[in-house]
Amino acid sequence: QQQVKQSPQSLIVQKGGISIINCAYENTAFDYFPWYQQFPGKGPALLIAIRPDVSEKKEGRFTISFNKSAKQFSLHIMDSQPGDSATYFCAAIPGNTGKLIFGQGTTLQVKP
Amino acid sequence: DAGVTQSPTHLIKTRGQQVTLRCSPKSGHDTVSWYQQALGQGPQFIFQYYEEEERQRGNFPDRFSGHQFPNYSSELNVNALLLGDSALYLCASSRTGNDYGYTFGSGTRLTVV
Repeated sequence: QQQVKQSPQSLIVQKGGISIINCAYENTAFDYFPWYQQFPGKGPALLIAIRPDVSEKKEGRFTISFNKSAKQFSLHIMDSQPGDSATYFCAAIPGNTGKLIFGQGTTLQVKP
Repeated sequence: DAGVTQSPTHLIKTRGQQVTLRCSPKSGHDTVSWYQQALGQGPQFIFQYYEEEERQRGNFPDRFSGHQFPNYSSELNVNALLLGDSALYLCASSRTGNDYGYTFGSGTRLTVV
């Protein structure tokens, strides 16, 4: 099954708080898990990505946690800022295909 | 360094018509993928072009076709437009051997009336 399920659909966080977005997958052939950020009127932009042989990756305020046995991965945004308000998509790539399978998206609003 | 350029930005077409969308990949990129993003949804993979050939295809009908030119630019053609084809069409480019380094354009907003 080539599907990625994302939750929550929307999220409101206070400035300085932690935003957490979760994704789950079924296909064990996925071998790359990127997160994209999309602002209105723009295309998705790569935020951070992880491979399944790594349990955590951190880049600045953004961290991916990966649980291979549970087939789940999550994005944590520390010290959330109003400028982080956007739609976030998790995605997965089946090995050797180069085809991105996107989750349904999470609209994040960070209140000042 | 120009990123991915898509044209036009917006387009309104009538049901049953045909449409052509265009994409110029990022400099140094030779692979182009097209995605359809319905309102409030994640992008859905349509197809991917490399060396002027369709390398992969998603679950889209034959009404959706494409082309890649020798300069790596690409076109997406949709025939017999349906109301349900209204969406943001995104082009993403990458470099062979670095399949996971996608750069997306800002998309073409297609409205079918």
